[in-house]
Amino acid sequence: DTGVSQDPRHKITKRGQNVTFRCDPISEHNRLYWYRQTLGQGPEFLTYFQNEAQLEKSRLLSDRFSAERPKGSFSTLEIQRTEQGDSAMYLCASSLSYNSPLHFGNGTRLTVT
Amino acid sequence: QQQVKQSPQSLIVQKGGISIINCAYENTAFDYFPWYQQFPGKGPALLIAIRPDVSEKKEGRFTISFNKSAKQFSLHIMDSQPGDSATYFCAASPSNTGNQFYFGTGTSLTVIP
Repeated sequence: DTGVSQDPRHKITKRGQNVTFRCDPISEHNRLYWYRQTLGQGPEFLTYFQNEAQLEKSRLLSDRFSAERPKGSFSTLEIQRTEQGDSAMYLCASSLSYNSPLHFGNGTRLTVT
Repeated sequence: QQQVKQSPQSLIVQKGGISIINCAYENTAFDYFPWYQQFPGKGPALLIAIRPDVSEKKEGRFTISFNKSAKQFSLHIMDSQPGDSATYFCAASPSNTGNQFYFGTGTSLTVIP
């Protein structure tokens, strides 16, 4: 399978704990995006990388969230001191170039108890 | 503020019927309009996309109609099948950044056999 892969698929954590998610984009795609999706809503933009550079970050994104993309390959999204409001599906997507379609992974579903 | 407004929220169609989902936007910088299909537990998958230089694009049973002056676009699913039952999202991307996709809130489509 050469699509976008995300790990883990599900994560249950207690409030206050830190969690980290991984995304492996399609290999030739240099653009990588993180989105968050809550029930009944469309994906909401979190952040975007072009190669290893994080070029854009949502103003709505708490400073508890941090993302990295070392060497321009896989990416990680870390949430520190999780809160119940962080419960959502976290989607990773990649694209080949400017204004080309996003290819999404199947997401990581986070539940904060 | 919702950048892309989508309706209806839910839609029930008989097998063989036509499903129509509408989206509207305000930002005239948007110049790429994809539609995504999402099944439960999966990430959104690109269905069909259009750029504003054409008024219609057809791929199989799926057609996008685009009205630039009205800033509206719609997805038509002809001969709807039970396997089309999913959530559909419209999206838009602006040319001035090319980095961020704005999604509608989704339409849950149910096709009754």
